[in-house]
Amino acid sequence: EPEVTQTPSHQVTQMGQEVILRCVPISNHLYFYWYRQILGQKVEFLVSFYNNEISEKSEIFDDQFSVERPDGSNFTLKIRSTKLEDSAMYFCASRPFLLTGRGYTFGSGTRLTVV
Amino acid sequence: GQQLNQSPQSMFIQEGEDVSMNCTSSSIFNTWLWYKQDPGEGPVLLIALYKAGELTSNGRLTAQFGITRKDSFLNISASIPSDVGIYFCAGPQGAQKLVFGQGTRLTINP
Repeated sequence: EPEVTQTPSHQVTQMGQEVILRCVPISNHLYFYWYRQILGQKVEFLVSFYNNEISEKSEIFDDQFSVERPDGSNFTLKIRSTKLEDSAMYFCASRPFLLTGRGYTFGSGTRLTVV
Repeated sequence: GQQLNQSPQSMFIQEGEDVSMNCTSSSIFNTWLWYKQDPGEGPVLLIALYKAGELTSNGRLTAQFGITRKDSFLNISASIPSDVGIYFCAGPQGAQKLVFGQGTRLTINP
């Protein structure tokens, strides 16, 4: 079955540094998402992206965060100046236009550690 | 926003036992999704429910979409060690994002 792939699987960065997390959504999906999961907590919505623009974002997704779909296949999340509290698992997800079948498909995540 | 409440938060069972967990909301959801998350991995879809009253099975898993559209349950029959993990219910809020419950952590004693 098609998968959402994320790279890298682990990223360690110093506080204040910029990081870019990369995702390749399923090719015929139209909605793209980033979610975050702090260790031991539930999965939290960050941002949704449709038709080449942000369609919704949470209060977590402040000016330090940005997303981009630079070509037809990649979807990236950039954190401009990382903070210790940005340490978490970041999941990319995608879904087709009609919510049927598998619906939302998640990648395996990128574990971001800010030191 | 809409909140999903899962119970129980954790379960400790013997291998072979059946498991039941549920998810409730104060507001209506039009879709219920059940995911399993293994350590260090992303959520993997187990069952998707799209119609109120729908009862769907996937192997040893059975889930139902409550008739009021405010609840759903997931049952696992004859649990095995690989069932260990965290189970999340989720539902779309508005047109876009998924909201997740807090999860039910399942531990199985062999």
